[in-house]
Amino acid sequence: NAGVTQTPKFQVLKTGQSMTLQCAQDMNHNSMYWYRQDPGMGLRLIYYSASEGTTDKGEVPNGYNVSRLNKREFSLRLESAAPSQTSVYFCASSEAPYLNTDTQYFGPGTRLTVL
Amino acid sequence: AQSVTQPDIHITVSEGASLELRCNYSYGATPYLFWYVQSPGQGLQLLLKYFSGDTLVQGIKGFEAEFKRSQSSFNLRKPSVHWSDAAEYFCAVNSGGGADGLTFGKGTHLIIQP
Repeated sequence: NAGVTQTPKFQVLKTGQSMTLQCAQDMNHNSMYWYRQDPGMGLRLIYYSASEGTTDKGEVPNGYNVSRLNKREFSLRLESAAPSQTSVYFCASSEAPYLNTDTQYFGPGTRLTVL
Repeated sequence: AQSVTQPDIHITVSEGASLELRCNYSYGATPYLFWYVQSPGQGLQLLLKYFSGDTLVQGIKGFEAEFKRSQSSFNLRKPSVHWSDAAEYFCAVNSGGGADGLTFGKGTHLIIQP
C-alpha cells in the first residue's frame, strides 16, 4: 500500500516549457488535490477533484490545468511555465470531502524550478 | 471565512526539553482541527486530529494537542523533544461542506539544539 505517489520528484524547466506532474493514490479515495508550497506561505490549494469526473479551482489556479484521469490518478499541467511557478507541489487524497471529519493524505512532493 | 494562525515562524528548543507550538483558528462553527508534520524534503504526515469529545488528543510520535474553544486554540505539545522532531509543523482547520474546506496555517519551523 503505497498511499499517494508523485512523479517526478524533481524537475527543472525553462520559461515557456510545459510539463505534467503525475499523482496516483491506492486508497480508493474519492477526492484528490493539488497544492503548492512556498516559503512563508504554507500550502495553497491549486485545484481539486471532489470525485471522479469533476474538477474545481482552488485558491491559486492561474497557469495550471488538471485532469482526473480515473479514480486513482490526478495530473497537474503547466502549459507555459513561468519563474513564479517555482515551488514544491503536493498531491493529496481523501475519502469524503463533504464530511467535516475528512482527512487528507499527502504525497512526497515534486520540487519544480523554472529558470 | 475560516483562517488559521501559527504565531511562531521559528522555534528553537533544546533536545530533551518540552515543546508547545501554538495554533489559533477563526471559524464560527465547530472546527475540525489537524496537525501535520513535514520533515525536510518529505511530504506532510498527519500527527493528530480533533473532531469532538475529549479535548486532549493523542497523536503519533509522542505528540498531543489540546483544543480550547474559549481561546480558539489547538496547541501542539510534546514533553521531551528528540533531534528527529526537527521539522515544519502545520496546523489546519476543516470547515467541511466542500473539498476546498481545509485551510492551513503558514507553519512553524522547529529547530532542535543539541
